[in-house]
Amino acid sequence: DQQVKQNSPSLSVQEGRISILNCDYTNSMFDYFLWYKKYPAEGPTFLISISSIKDKNEDGRFTVFLNKSAKHLSLHIVPSQPGDSAVYFCAASAPSGTYKYIFGTGTRLKVLA
Amino acid sequence: DTGVSQDPRHKITKRGQNVTFRCDPISEHNRLYWYRQTLGQGPEFLTYFQNEAQLEKSRLLSDRFSAERPKGSFSTLEIQRTEQGDSAMYLCASSVGQGPYGYTFGSGTRLTVV
Repeated sequence: DQQVKQNSPSLSVQEGRISILNCDYTNSMFDYFLWYKKYPAEGPTFLISISSIKDKNEDGRFTVFLNKSAKHLSLHIVPSQPGDSAVYFCAASAPSGTYKYIFGTGTRLKVLA
Repeated sequence: DTGVSQDPRHKITKRGQNVTFRCDPISEHNRLYWYRQTLGQGPEFLTYFQNEAQLEKSRLLSDRFSAERPKGSFSTLEIQRTEQGDSAMYLCASSVGQGPYGYTFGSGTRLTVV
């Protein structure tokens, strides 16, 4: 049972344009969401997070939007740069003392120069 | 750089052998996690330590797997009688504090069971 889904395995975007990566979840108990970026042969790197009490969080070129009623979140990257080419994972956690995360399967973003 | 360090980076072993991986978290981080990632999947939670106490284990962690974190510092993950299905990237992550904040992951140990 995939509780966090990233239905687009890959995405190609021109440099300078907007990249939109999507993520859907099924567990209404999830209250905290993260996006990670992963380059080959490296561990995932934390990018941006959002709590369920918010619907938007911005950090420079990265913005995460959360639509709780639709159980959907998205990551916007504006403007996209070739260095953004990586695999992006969304992850969600439910309230607990563990703060373990359920990860999606990832979306490979390729930014074309 | 004082990030999360994992050793070895790669391990090839024969089926049935035991393997042990090591993780050195960021020194002030009291929380330590092990995740496993297979091809085409996201990381899957295996186990969690707060200081030296192992507080949660996933059902993915069969009785062939054991993890320790003596003295709340480094951690080891041992797999006994390895099987081909154990081939994966094993990721260690650490964090600090009480909030649901992002972890810092290590670069992982890639295990190949032949």
